[in-house]
Amino acid sequence: DTAVSQTPKYLVTQMGNDKSIKCEQNLGHDTMYWYKQDSKKFLKIMFSYNNKELIINETVPNRFSPKSPDKAHLNLHINSLELGDSAVYFCASSQYLAVGELFFGEGSRLTVL
Amino acid sequence: EDKVVQSPLSLVVHEGDTVTLNCSYEVTNFRSLLWYKQEKKAPTFLFMLTSSGIEKKSGRLSSILDKKELFSILNITATQTGDSAVYLCAGDGSNDYKLSFGAGTTVTVRA
Repeated sequence: DTAVSQTPKYLVTQMGNDKSIKCEQNLGHDTMYWYKQDSKKFLKIMFSYNNKELIINETVPNRFSPKSPDKAHLNLHINSLELGDSAVYFCASSQYLAVGELFFGEGSRLTVL
Repeated sequence: EDKVVQSPLSLVVHEGDTVTLNCSYEVTNFRSLLWYKQEKKAPTFLFMLTSSGIEKKSGRLSSILDKKELFSILNITATQTGDSAVYLCAGDGSNDYKLSFGAGTTVTVRA
């Protein structure tokens, strides 16, 4: 039973399209995150939510909009996709807002053509 | 902004060798340093270090933190091909509720 699961695992799409990635955790954690990993393997935080409340919103274009319907789910919607959005997007969770250990999903590889 | 720097960026060793990975950090209100291993997919947790000078061990892997000099080392002894991965180091500060990751060290172990 996967602790943090993301769908889809792969997306290939054209520039200008809109896409969504869904994430669910069954660990009972309070806090969820979206990280972006570029081709050089550098993991950078995008957003975090604690009990459905937005905590971190890094300098991410407003084409990216997270949504947390409940504390077990955190989705990411991306409008008007650009070539530079191609990356692997990781969802993660931690027990509390104070971080500590993160549990990662398997990633969603987005390719924008 | 918090900064985490890992070295080397990559290395290639043969099975049985010992590997030492370095991580230096500048993290405001430092709370802990974490190591992750990333093979093909999700990073998986290895260690969390909060106290200086206390070694954490798990099998052939061990790690230590130096809070005075602001660095950590991850050692892998008697390497195996299954140790081939990207090893990520991350700093956790109490200011901002997020981990700041380094760029990772890619370790390739050849049979």
